[in-house]
Amino acid sequence: EAQVTQNPRYLITVTGKKLTVTCSQNMNHEYMSWYRQDPGLGLRQIYYSMNVEVTDKGDVPEGYKVSRKEKRNFPLILESPSPNQTSLYFCATRYNEKLFFGSGTQLSVL
Amino acid sequence: QKEVEQNSGPLSVPEGAIASLNCTYSDRVSQSFFWYRQYSGKSPELIMSIYSNGDKEDGRFTAQLNKASQYVSLLIRDSQPSDSATYLCAGGLYNFNKFYFGSGTKLNVKP
Repeated sequence: EAQVTQNPRYLITVTGKKLTVTCSQNMNHEYMSWYRQDPGLGLRQIYYSMNVEVTDKGDVPEGYKVSRKEKRNFPLILESPSPNQTSLYFCATRYNEKLFFGSGTQLSVL
Repeated sequence: QKEVEQNSGPLSVPEGAIASLNCTYSDRVSQSFFWYRQYSGKSPELIMSIYSNGDKEDGRFTAQLNKASQYVSLLIRDSQPSDSATYLCAGGLYNFNKFYFGSGTKLNVKP
């Protein structure tokens, strides 16, 4: 089954403790991206990667890092999480114009 | 001004009625637009895309684009309770490398 897999589904952490949210896809798509979703603000793009060689910032990259060492994986790294990064995070791939989203990671930073 | 704006709702319609969802966009957004449906606790899924001025129909769904007014809409005919969800409007640019999403409109279809 074609899918985008994120882990973990839920994560509670404390301010300053480094964490990584993993994203893996089995659809062989070149493009991958990370979004955060907040009430009243909708989905906002954090980073995107056109392929393993090209990664670029979205609209809200501050406080986040990404890595694209291989096509199938695109982890999101929070080096020093803060409470304002509490959000619902989605990883997505794209084929033509269509985005395929993972099931989401609900992150709470205390 | 946000790149893509939507009324957050909720929009309530009776079963069988037409639901009309609207979205406006700024000059920053290109002329490619998308409607995603998001059920509570789930991830968004694409239901319609539209690139040209006018209407595009797919089953019970019709997307409308008016470039002069910078306005996109989604009509759902014969609304069903299973259509109850949040509908996200999105604009794409840079060869679809970047997307701007509205905050979503919550639709409730009452039996």
